[in-house]
Amino acid sequence: EAQVTQNPRYLITVTGKKLTVTCSQNMNHEYMSWYRQDPGLGLRQIYYSMNVEVTDKGDVPEGYKVSRKEKRNFPLILESPSPNQTSLYFCASSWQGGQPQHFGDGTRLSIL
Amino acid sequence: AQSVTQPDIHITVSEGASLELRCNYSYGATPYLFWYVQSPGQGLQLLLKYFSGDTLVQGIKGFEAEFKRSQSSFNLRKPSVHWSDAAEYFCAVGAPMGQKLVFGQGTRLTINP
Repeated sequence: EAQVTQNPRYLITVTGKKLTVTCSQNMNHEYMSWYRQDPGLGLRQIYYSMNVEVTDKGDVPEGYKVSRKEKRNFPLILESPSPNQTSLYFCASSWQGGQPQHFGDGTRLSIL
Repeated sequence: AQSVTQPDIHITVSEGASLELRCNYSYGATPYLFWYVQSPGQGLQLLLKYFSGDTLVQGIKGFEAEFKRSQSSFNLRKPSVHWSDAAEYFCAVGAPMGQKLVFGQGTRLTINP
């Protein structure tokens, strides 16, 4: 089954404690992206990757890092999380930029 | 810069009634347009897309959308809604080989029995 898998689904943590949200896709897609969803703001892009070792900033990259060492994985790293990063996060992939994206089920992060 | 506006934050319709969700976009060239649906606790699922050609596109679950270039709109319609259609709906605009999708704020749909 084609899918994008995010882990964890839920996480409550404290300010400053580094965390990583993993994202893996099994569709051999070149393009992957991270979004955050906040009430009234829709989804905003954090980072994207057009292919292995090719990443770039989206609209709201501050406080986040990503890496793309393998085609299937695109982890999101919060090195020093802060309460304003409390949000619902989605990973997505598509075979090429501009094409319909497949979304994971989301990761709800609470930073206290 | 690309932008998407969904003017209705929340819409309530009765089961069996028709539905139209509005979407207006801003983009300098011919856009790629999408509608996604998000059920509670789940990710986004693609309903339909418009790349080119026929301006009336059919999607899954009985939804359709019409691209109107003159009005910069891509409204989503369904002739008769079902209780299972209650969800949040997002319109998005992208570009060929583009790096990102730009999403609207979303419209939450409630169905009255």
